[in-house]
Amino acid sequence: NAGVTQTPKFRVLKTGQSMTLLCAQDMNHEYMYWYRQDPGMGLRLIHYSVGEGTTAKGEVPDGYNVSRLKKQNFLLGLESAAPSQTSVYFCASSPWTGRTEAFFGQGTRLTVV
Amino acid sequence: AQTVTQSQPEMSVQEAETVTLSCTYDTSESDYYLFWYKQPPSRQMILVIRQEAYKQQNATENRFSVNFQKAAKSFSLKISDSQLGDAAMYFCAYRSDPKRGNQFYFGTGTSLTVIP
Repeated sequence: NAGVTQTPKFRVLKTGQSMTLLCAQDMNHEYMYWYRQDPGMGLRLIHYSVGEGTTAKGEVPDGYNVSRLKKQNFLLGLESAAPSQTSVYFCASSPWTGRTEAFFGQGTRLTVV
Repeated sequence: AQTVTQSQPEMSVQEAETVTLSCTYDTSESDYYLFWYKQPPSRQMILVIRQEAYKQQNATENRFSVNFQKAAKSFSLKISDSQLGDAAMYFCAYRSDPKRGNQFYFGTGTSLTVIP
């Protein structure tokens, strides 16, 4: 019962570096999401996907790109990291049925110095 | 976009006592779903309880129950017989009917401290 798995769990980047966060789910869920969590601001949606090959912008998409080439994977990319992107990043997935909650990964703590 | 408001950044409760966490939301929809999540220091997001808007009966899960007031757009969480393990950040979340939207909207969270 792996659920939603995020890789890596921790990362330190220098300003201007790039990286990709990987999210994998084994529950055959249609929807996948990337959130960032900052103190006092709750979870804010970066990008989401309603199915393989589709992506859409959320509340705070600037500086991030995503791809969903396979139904089970959702990648979040930072092309040129900035200190403002220091945060905890969560991936989540959910099935189509509305009464079902979002299932979350363990989170990735990213520090940009 | 829907908005979810948690007006209590921090709350505390004595062990074995009862505490209520507040959540309000703004929506024009009639069908939607509400959730409370718990986030302990481990960072893992754990579902506590869910409520379907079309159900008038308040959801209950063991020591956790909600007071769902649809007209007032209020969804509070009551924790009875509080335990040390209940100490965590609690998030209220709103989900539209998937036929109209696919996003989850979260409040800013309430940090709960349980005093021994």
